[in-house]
Amino acid sequence: DQQVKQNSPSLSVQEGRISILNCDYTNSMFDYFLWYKKYPAEGPTFLISISSIKDKNEDGRFTVFLNKSAKHLSLHIVPSQPGDSAVYFCAAIQGAQKLVFGQGTRLTINP
Amino acid sequence: NAGVTQTPKFRVLKTGQSMTLLCAQDMNHEYMYWYRQDPGMGLRLIHYSVGEGTTAKGEVPDGYNVSRLKKQNFLLGLESAAPSQTSVYFCASSLDRRSSENTIYFGEGSWLTVV
Repeated sequence: DQQVKQNSPSLSVQEGRISILNCDYTNSMFDYFLWYKKYPAEGPTFLISISSIKDKNEDGRFTVFLNKSAKHLSLHIVPSQPGDSAVYFCAAIQGAQKLVFGQGTRLTINP
Repeated sequence: NAGVTQTPKFRVLKTGQSMTLLCAQDMNHEYMYWYRQDPGMGLRLIHYSVGEGTTAKGEVPDGYNVSRLKKQNFLLGLESAAPSQTSVYFCASSLDRRSSENTIYFGEGSWLTVV
């Protein structure tokens, strides 16, 4: 039972354009959502998060949007840069810090 | 990934062998986790701990045991390794559930192959 789903395994975007990564969840009890970025042969690193009481959180080029009624969140990166090429994981927290991850989306930024 | 250290980084095991992965964190974090990453599956939680002396099962606990005897260490054991346990294992830690910097810090991963 995949509670957090990233339905796009990969995404290719031109440098300078907007990258939009999507994530859906099924558990309405999730109350905190995070995005992690992962380079090959490294551990995931925290990127940005959002509480369920908000619908938007922005940090520089990164913005996360949360639509609770649709159980959907998205990560916008603008403008996209070559260094943004990585695998992005959406994650959700319920209760005692049980962080549940999606399958990941591989983002490739083309020059 | 400063602060969370995993050992060993790489290991090849024969089916039926046992081994222990060690995770150490120096951030005084209460919560620690073990995840495995497999292609197309994302990161799945194996076991976690909410404090010294406590452990709990995650999504995929079968075939693994854990111990948290010291706050800074979280050990993951494979009693009898199986090829299905070939994976990349990530340890992580976090301060608490509702801190303003509610982030979880990951180690660099341990690549385990069971033949």
